[in-house]
Amino acid sequence: ETGVTQTPRHLVMGMTNKKSLKCEQHLGHNAMYWYKQSAKKPLELMFVYNFKEQTENNSVPSRFSPECPNSSHLFLHLHTLQPEDSALYLCASSRAASNQPQHFGDGTRLSIL
Amino acid sequence: GESVGLHLPTLSVQEGDNSIINCAYSNSASDYFIWYKQESGKGPQFIIDIRSNMDKRQGQRVTVLLNKTVKHLSLQIAATQPGDSAVYFCAENSSYKLIFGSGTRLLVRP
Repeated sequence: ETGVTQTPRHLVMGMTNKKSLKCEQHLGHNAMYWYKQSAKKPLELMFVYNFKEQTENNSVPSRFSPECPNSSHLFLHLHTLQPEDSALYLCASSRAASNQPQHFGDGTRLSIL
Repeated sequence: GESVGLHLPTLSVQEGDNSIINCAYSNSASDYFIWYKQESGKGPQFIIDIRSNMDKRQGQRVTVLLNKTVKHLSLQIAATQPGDSAVYFCAENSSYKLIFGSGTRLLVRP
């Protein structure tokens, strides 16, 4: 148990569907992150939230829309995705947004048909 | 540009031996480094971290060494066990972001 819970664990969706990924952390952290992990590529940072405010958007296409209603919850809303968006999406949290270990959930495996 | 890379994509060791996983980083301004372990079907798990004002840090069966002169980071695992089989990533904190390497797969032979 890492203290960071992601749901669903697996998601299959068509390119025209709308779905959302959810992340919840029980560690009392103030920063939350979305990463994309594709085969044979390093972890790619997508978004950073610090005290509910977005502080980083790493040139992510607008078909990915994050939402952070409070410091414990993070969502990633998906709309009109492409096959190349199939990947493992990982959520992480840390006490502060820099120089602190990030703790990861087990990810959502997303497959786009 | 900023990059973190690993010298060996796969490392095979005998159970009970020590393992050494290496990592090179390119940004001399990076001030914080982390090692993660990722098992199949799971997210990266924090192992150990080190700040740039240190050159060595020890945990339980693991040691991280930082050589800022050559911008090199290593993870040493003592008495490697089957449960250590996983992909290991290093990450550097650069410009307030963690930048991850591509990973090394550690295989432990019985």
